[in-house]
Amino acid sequence: DAKTTQPTSMDCAEGRAANLPCNHSTISGNEYVYWYRQIHSQGPQYIIHGLKNNETNEMASLIITEDRKSSTLILPHATLRDTAVYYCIVRVMGSARQLTFGSGTQLTVLP
Amino acid sequence: GAVVSQHPSRVICKSGTSVKIECRSLDFQATTMFWYRQFPKQSLMLMATSNEGSKATYEQGVEKDKFLINHASLTLSTLTVTSAHPEDSSFYICSARQGGNNQPQHFGDGTRLSIL
Repeated sequence: DAKTTQPTSMDCAEGRAANLPCNHSTISGNEYVYWYRQIHSQGPQYIIHGLKNNETNEMASLIITEDRKSSTLILPHATLRDTAVYYCIVRVMGSARQLTFGSGTQLTVLP
Repeated sequence: GAVVSQHPSRVICKSGTSVKIECRSLDFQATTMFWYRQFPKQSLMLMATSNEGSKATYEQGVEKDKFLINHASLTLSTLTVTSAHPEDSSFYICSARQGGNNQPQHFGDGTRLSIL
């Protein structure tokens, strides 16, 4: 699976949009981009995933660049409860293997 | 949907005892479940892949005789930490995938194990 690079930490004001970047410059055509988050002392929570089209659900939007070498997770109106470590993971389509976690981005939403 | 339940959420026990952790997929069947371990301020590390009806596959460096995994049904996998020692204290998290391989993995809320 392709390696991802994320900033170590970010801050965001409550009520504003949080934009979390992820670089995956070695991504292959058959690899999906997944986003998870982990609130302190809890298990990871699935947020969203996509292949090449932008995706949106009730939690967030995922914007993938046309060359697929980077993506951005957008939380449109961040709340204090969105403070967590956010993981961007790239995974081969159809693979039975597990998700592999990197270091992620610690997002802190400030009041 | 896609709820993974893990029990217990926290265990404190004496050195030398064995501890069993249960992982259940509540509203879906999971032929494969995954067990992760997370030390403070570190990311999740895969310990083993649990397959229903067959032996688990362990990652390098994980002792299969110490971390016993049983996946007897499509909705239940158990991890038993045998003869636990203080260095086994960690946050253990299970995960299951709903449906096909392209579907997301869903995670339990983890078990905080503290060995005194």
